[in-house]
Amino acid sequence: KAGVTQTPRYLIKTRGQQVTLSCSPISGHRSVSWYQQTPGQGLQFLFEYFSETQRNKGNFPGRFSGRQFSNSRSEMNVSTLELGDSALYLCASSWAGQGGYTFGSGTRLTVV
Amino acid sequence: ELKVEQNPLFLSMQEGKNYTIYCNYSTTSDRLYWYRQDPGKSLESLFVLLSNGAVKQEGRLMASLDTKARLSTLHITAAVHDLSATYFCAADSGNTPLVFGKGTRLSVIA
Repeated sequence: KAGVTQTPRYLIKTRGQQVTLSCSPISGHRSVSWYQQTPGQGLQFLFEYFSETQRNKGNFPGRFSGRQFSNSRSEMNVSTLELGDSALYLCASSWAGQGGYTFGSGTRLTVV
Repeated sequence: ELKVEQNPLFLSMQEGKNYTIYCNYSTTSDRLYWYRQDPGKSLESLFVLLSNGAVKQEGRLMASLDTKARLSTLHITAAVHDLSATYFCAADSGNTPLVFGKGTRLSVIA
């Protein structure tokens, strides 16, 4: 059974650029959640998508956005990158967003 | 608003010793989770605790949940070097997202 796949694994971007990260959940899972992990702030919730609809949103600026496709794959986009956006971005999939979360390997984003 | 606090944040243990990590949460929660993270890696699910008095064990790790005290513990028995990692507890309720504690960085030394 394939796990949660995040691509790319590593990214280096320049301030002001934008970036798109991808997450393919476990087959049959309909919920995808995104988290940002930094040494200073820990694991912070970005947003959750369930059946192509955003169900929850964390306290992040509008530069952070996401979407979910009909096959449950999800993308998150960060526009106008800032140095502080450097982090490990993790996605988690679950069948219905209530328990049983499986995390992907993450995308390490470095903004220079 | 659900908040999760862990302590200690750093823990240095000698091999063979026992210790406990504590996780308090602020409001009623449906589920309590424990995860392990190795440096540069993702989160590995260890336990999901659903009801008051729940106890789960896997190898040298045992997790318990007291919903009345809003407290979960992760007990480490006879620590070995391979247990060195960061351990996170997290909680959620209904359709709310997972809220994580700040993590406990465990170092097991000889």
